[in-house]
Amino acid sequence: DVKVTQSSRYLVKRTGEKVFLECVQDMDHENMFWYRQDPGLGLRLIYFSYDVKMKEKGDIPEGYSVSREKKERFSLILESASTNQTSMYLCASSAIRGSTSTDTQYFGPGTRLTVL
Amino acid sequence: AQKITQTQPGMFVQEKEAVTLDCTYDTSDPSYGLFWYKQPSSGEMIFLIYQGSYDQQNATEGRYSLNFQKARKSANLVISASQLGDSAMYFCAMREEGAAGNKLTFGGGTRVLVKP
Repeated sequence: DVKVTQSSRYLVKRTGEKVFLECVQDMDHENMFWYRQDPGLGLRLIYFSYDVKMKEKGDIPEGYSVSREKKERFSLILESASTNQTSMYLCASSAIRGSTSTDTQYFGPGTRLTVL
Repeated sequence: AQKITQTQPGMFVQEKEAVTLDCTYDTSDPSYGLFWYKQPSSGEMIFLIYQGSYDQQNATEGRYSLNFQKARKSANLVISASQLGDSAMYFCAMREEGAAGNKLTFGGGTRVLVKP
């Protein structure tokens, strides 16, 4: 069974703290993604990575950074958390797109982060 | 401009009836894929169905079918014979051919509540 796991389901941090969100996948996928989900806005892509040590900015990278030192692990870092980063964070992974049509992304259970 | 639009923020449906969830998209890419995901209250994103832009037939997966109207740029999800377990958020997403890393763009979602 395919698996994407995230280090925490719920997290409460204070403004200004450095926050690490960890994501691990066991499917040997090349691509990994970090999204944030807010009501009415759907999922918005923060960063993605298509290979170890490679990263690309998504639609809303400001205030975030990422790290991918190993293929199976993709970390999202909030250098100095702010209240407007209170959100649900979802990690996903996928294989490199090939000829098959249903190469979907597989998602982790999400981390609900509250910044006070 | 929004690439994926879901105009129904929420809807009720009677158990055993069919429901249609609207999704319109905007792309100039001739090759793209459209996905629907379900997100129950537990938070995980579950892949439901995929439609490729060159697919001649509408996609179907069990009780899920996709009403794909390419000229109108719409990809509505139809859930037949609704069940209580269908109560969830539903997201439409698009992957464009030129998108790096198998990147998806999501709509804002539609919340479905199935009434007994």
